[in-house]
Amino acid sequence: EVQLVESGGGLVQPGGSPRLSCAASGFTFINYWMHWVRQAPGKGLVWVSRVNQDGSNTNYADSVKGRFTISRDNSKNTVYLQMNSLRAEDTAVYYCAKGGPEYYFDYWGQGILVTVSS
Amino acid sequence: EIVLTQSPGTLSLSPGERATLSCRASQSISSSYLAWYQQKPGQAPRLLIYAASSRATGIPDRFSGSGSGTDFTLTINRLEPEDFAVYYCQRYGGSPEWTFGQGTKVELK
Repeated sequence: EVQLVESGGGLVQPGGSPRLSCAASGFTFINYWMHWVRQAPGKGLVWVSRVNQDGSNTNYADSVKGRFTISRDNSKNTVYLQMNSLRAEDTAVYYCAKGGPEYYFDYWGQGILVTVSS
Repeated sequence: EIVLTQSPGTLSLSPGERATLSCRASQSISSSYLAWYQQKPGQAPRLLIYAASSRATGIPDRFSGSGSGTDFTLTINRLEPEDFAVYYCQRYGGSPEWTFGQGTKVELK
């Protein structure tokens, strides 16, 4: 059974730099792209970032480019999202998602709330 | 930038009825890169349909997807109580980037 478990969220001050983690199990982690998708309270889904299988290639939404960094540790089956210079508009539930073979998200974590507030 | 527009915003239906949800792209997109998700309150999204018309693993056959070019449809035949939720379409773009529609809420009439 595929499982994705996020951690590292919570209340963060503006300008803060938390790191989210997503521990994966139930599939061959090294074979798949991994993504972060976020959802602001009461709003829709927004793709944030993607990392390829060996971590050598990453992509970001314009709204987070230069502030967020995605990475992965294939020895730990874990993907990370380093978030810097956080703003109030970054407040959201952050989901870790496994990339499917046809550019969709076939499994999702339960999500972790990040609240940016002083 | 290609925008996905979903309609209607809210669909009020009764169990047993058919739901027809629309996802329109501002430019023609490949049907290979169009997916649909279901999200219930407090839960993560769940993949329903990929490549416009292929059902994901474990998805009941009352869910079907169709369409091409700029117009795509998710149909739910014979709504079950557990189908009342928000539905999102999503496309992959070649930058690469992934975008979602704004969602359609299927609510109990």
